[in-house]
This record gives sequence, C-alpha cells and structure tokens, in this order.
Amino acid sequence: QQQVKQSPQSLIVQKGGIPIINCAYENTAFDYFPWYQQFPGKGPALLIAIRPDVSEKKEGRFTISFNKSAKQFSLHIMDSQPGDSATYFCAASIGTSGSRLTFGEGTQLTVNP
Amino acid sequence: GAVVSQHPSWVICKSGTSVKIECRSLDFQATTMFWYRQFPKQSLMLMATSNEGSKATYEQGVEKDKFLINHASLTLSTLTVTSAHPEDSSFYICSATRAQSNYGYTFGSGTRLTVV
Repeated sequence: QQQVKQSPQSLIVQKGGIPIINCAYENTAFDYFPWYQQFPGKGPALLIAIRPDVSEKKEGRFTISFNKSAKQFSLHIMDSQPGDSATYFCAASIGTSGSRLTFGEGTQLTVNP
Repeated sequence: GAVVSQHPSWVICKSGTSVKIECRSLDFQATTMFWYRQFPKQSLMLMATSNEGSKATYEQGVEKDKFLINHASLTLSTLTVTSAHPEDSSFYICSATRAQSNYGYTFGSGTRLTVV
C-alpha cells in the first residue's frame, strides 16, 4: 500500500522533445505528489508538486497531470533541453510535511542535442 | 526558499572509524528530519526519521547502534556512522521539513562516504 511505481526506468529523447514519466500509487491516503530532479552527486531538488484536488499543474516547462480515479500521475517536460538530463523521482506523502515521502524507483532521462 | 546544508559533501575514512554527517536547516525550523541512503542508479532508501528532541525512528533492517542519529535542535541533525566498513560506502542524504506547514521537504546536497 505504500508503494509508488515509476516508469520508464530510462528515457532518451531529442532536444525539443516531450519526455513523459509516469507514476502509480496504491495508498489513497496520499495527498501530496512531488517530483524531484537529481543530478549526479547531488541531493534531489523539488521541481513541481500537486495536490489531488487539481488534475493538472504547470510551472514553466514542467507539467504534472493527475488522475485521482486511476491513482496515477505523470510529469511532462516541454521543449526538453540537454540540461534537463538527470534522474527524476516521483514521490507521495500524506500531507505536505511531517510524514515520510514514498519514492518511485526513478527515471534516468537523457536529452540529446 | 527553504535551504538545507549538509556537510561534508564527501568523506573518505578508514575501516573501523566513525564518521559524522551534519544536516542544518538554514532558514527554517525543522521539526522533522529524514536520513536516506542511496546506492548508484537506485532510489532513495529511508533509513530513519528524527523529530527534534526525540529518539529517531529507524526503518526495518537499519541498525540503530551503527547509524546514530541526533536531532538536538530545530536546525541541526547529525548522522554518525560508527565502526564504518566498506559496505557502508554510499551516498547519504538528509531532508528537513516542518510539521503542519507548507514547507514541503527540502533535501541536503548529500554526502558521499567511502570506507577504505
């Protein structure tokens, strides 16, 4: 019930493409769904997060789509750039602070020039 | 925004010695801090959760006598790897949050530990 499943494990796109990373969760008590970007040798950095009361959220080139009934959410990166090459993690928690984050397995994204 | 400082960024130590890693919240009071371990090309694995002034809660399979966690103040938590062995070599990351707030979870920059 605490799992968050993430796919694909790796993804290669050309510059300007729109990579999509998907996550599915089981615990219906989760109500905070952040996405993190991690570069090698660095800690994760928050990209964008969503609460289940909205179906979509955009921040710059990053968009989260959220499907509460299917218990799925996804990250779309518009006009991807080589600098976006990193590992992306979805996560879920109960509340925006205090309780533990449950992470997906991660997606290694490569954006070719 | 919220900033978490983690030191050192990397450390090499001899087998059998102890290493302390510090995690500081610079601009907010962190009621809860989390410590993670990450192996190459893998996700973050939660080791323990610490609340200020309380004993840490360790995840199943994590040796609390080996990984000592102290959260003595609202801005500082430390992880001490005692009697380190080569298998303890990993990337350790802390995260801080403030309960009942919209701070979310802020991560430190991580510490690469190599035990030789």
